Amino acid sequence: QKEVEQDPGPLSVPEGAIVSLNCTYSNSAFQYFMWYRQYSRKGPELLMYTYSSGNKEDGRFTAQVDKSSKYISLFIRDSQPSDSATYLCATGGSHSNYQLIWGAGTKLIIKP
Amino acid sequence: SQTIHQWPATLVQPVGSPLSLECTVEGTSNPNLYWYRQAAGRGLQLLFYSVGIGQISSEVPQNLSASRPQDRQFILSSKKLLLSDSGFYLCAWGRGSNQPQHFGDGTRLSIL
Repeated sequence: QKEVEQDPGPLSVPEGAIVSLNCTYSNSAFQYFMWYRQYSRKGPELLMYTYSSGNKEDGRFTAQVDKSSKYISLFIRDSQPSDSATYLCATGGSHSNYQLIWGAGTKLIIKP
Repeated sequence: SQTIHQWPATLVQPVGSPLSLECTVEGTSNPNLYWYRQAAGRGLQLLFYSVGIGQISSEVPQNLSASRPQDRQFILSSKKLLLSDSGFYLCAWGRGSNQPQHFGDGTRLSIL
């Protein structure tokens, strides 16, 4: 079993819809969770960084962590075509303080 | 603010040729530095990381090597490239335990 699982998609939704992107993880010791956005032929860009359980909001983006279910989510409100990208989740691994454990990424397509 | 530079953006090399990819970070000191490879449609594979000058940890045994000759400089090298070395190479920097990593724009390497 992979330490972090993420559906590769693609996920295609109409412009203006609410998008829900999800990851599951296996190790209950993970405490730090991140979401990155990656446009084609570019490096990943940090979107959200959260610690432990709960919600964090930044503009149209909300990150949610449910440690009891080992489930993390990223919600995008009022989605725009410019949100079309691959979204990667990552967590601070318990076995090394210097490495992150990465999901494979979900490709999101917002249709105008 | 911190910036990370990675070059070249694109590189086409023949099989058996050497490789040198360079990454530099500005605006911070003593960062943790990372080299990743990303295959098409797949997640990030950590190749090397460094917590200080001359300190390199290798995650994947292969014909690549890394060096950190200066605090904010990280170099990925190979003496003889293989076809399987094709991919998208990303450099990143981070701070401390379980902290987010910040990426350059990557080098797309094609081996012919």
